[in-house]
Amino acid sequence: GAGVSQSPSNKVTEKGKDVELRCDPISGHTALYWYRQSLGQGLEFLIYFQGNSAPDKSGLPSDRFSAERTGGSVSTLTIQRTQQEDSAVYLCASSSSRQVRQFFGPGTRLTVL
Amino acid sequence: QQQVKQSPQSLIVQKGGISIINCAYENTAFDYFPWYQQFPGKGPALLIAIRPDVSEKKEGRFTISFNKSAKQFSLHIMDSQPGDSATYFCAALYGGSQGNLIFGKGTKLSVKP
Repeated sequence: GAGVSQSPSNKVTEKGKDVELRCDPISGHTALYWYRQSLGQGLEFLIYFQGNSAPDKSGLPSDRFSAERTGGSVSTLTIQRTQQEDSAVYLCASSSSRQVRQFFGPGTRLTVL
Repeated sequence: QQQVKQSPQSLIVQKGGISIINCAYENTAFDYFPWYQQFPGKGPALLIAIRPDVSEKKEGRFTISFNKSAKQFSLHIMDSQPGDSATYFCAALYGGSQGNLIFGKGTKLSVKP
């Protein structure tokens, strides 16, 4: 596609529910990244995929967070048993190789009530 | 050691003025320093980037100055325009296959007409 797309753009959920956030990277980009942006904070790295494997999961804040990538393309970030502190904008980025420009999607704004 | 410290947190500049945002890092393994621009409701977009073997890089009205010995780099926006009003993030990337982008906390720039 023309750019990185993410869905939904906004998600409001109740505490304790599970949510799935989706990222469609730029076609042909092998690397995919998830970041979290909280109000007034920078971008916090969550996880990185090269193809379908995740060599770096070091940023996932707890075992309630997981992510997968299938077919070397679409990725989903799943947050189980959401907490209010999970409220943030979740950004996805992709790049054509490991150490070059990352292209960001518009993000999913998650609100946990 | 993994932090990138960014200042100021917010900046107000008159139209036509120079906007200056500063970043500092500790880890000498960082080898790529991009600046991202983010408008409200959008994902960050790469503005300009520099590698540590160069002391300055200029693209139009945007210049990165890099001081390797001081482990500091800065973004200068010349002839600032109201359309430059956005949040700016500096970042740093590890060399090697296990690296990630480490972001500063951002600077909210407002350019007054």
